[in-house]
Amino acid sequence: DAGITQSPRHKVTETGTPVTLRCHQTENHRYMYWYRQDPGHGLRLIHYSYGVKDTDKGEVSDGYSVSRSKTEDFLLTLESATSSQTSVYFCAIRPGDHEQYFGPGTRLTVT
Amino acid sequence: QKEVEQDPGPLSVPEGAIVSLNCTYSNSAFQYFMWYRQYSRKGPELLMYTYSSGNKEDGRFTAQVDKSSKYISLFIRDSQPSDSATYLCAMSAGGNEKLTFGTGTRLTIIP
Repeated sequence: DAGITQSPRHKVTETGTPVTLRCHQTENHRYMYWYRQDPGHGLRLIHYSYGVKDTDKGEVSDGYSVSRSKTEDFLLTLESATSSQTSVYFCAIRPGDHEQYFGPGTRLTVT
Repeated sequence: QKEVEQDPGPLSVPEGAIVSLNCTYSNSAFQYFMWYRQYSRKGPELLMYTYSSGNKEDGRFTAQVDKSSKYISLFIRDSQPSDSATYLCAMSAGGNEKLTFGTGTRLTIIP
C-alpha cells in the first residue's frame, strides 16, 4: 500500500459534463503524477506536479487540467468530457529519487 | 515508432518454468529502468528498479539492462500461478522523472 487513494473509483458521465478526479496521499511527497491507461497504449502521462501550485504537462494533456492547492491532494479535471477520455486513470507518487508508486485507479466511462 | 516497445503477448508457460520478458527502447537518454506487475483491475505494483546497465536480483526475479543494445529483460524463476499478471516495463532519463512505459506483456502461468 503506497498510501494513495483515488476517488471516485468508478464513474459514468455524459459527454460535455465536467469531471474531477481526486488523488490523495498520506505522506508529504513532493512529486505526484496523473496517467491514463488504454489498450495498445500502455500508461501515458497526462500532467504532473512537483510541489504545491507547481504543475507541468505530460504527453497527453489536451482536454485536461490539474490543480494542487495542498501537498496531499492532486486533482485532475476534465472540463468537458468526451468519449475519447473513457479510460482508467492512475495517480502516482515519487517518494524517493526515481521510483513511482501507483494508486488503485479510477475507471471513467464517458457516454 | 514508439520510444519503448514491448511484446503484448499473451505468454503462457507451465508452472515452474523460467519466464523471460523483454523491452527495447530508442531513447539513449534513458538510464533508470523499472518493471511493474499489474493484476487485473488493480494499479501497477513496482517489482524491480535498476540504474544503468547490469543485473539486479530480488528473490525469484532478475532484472537485466543492456544499454549498448537498448534492451532490458525481466526473468522470473520457478514461476507460480500467482505470477499471472501483466508486466510493464518503464524507464526515465532522470530529472522530473517522467516515466515512459511499454504497453505490457500479459503472462499466464499454467498449474
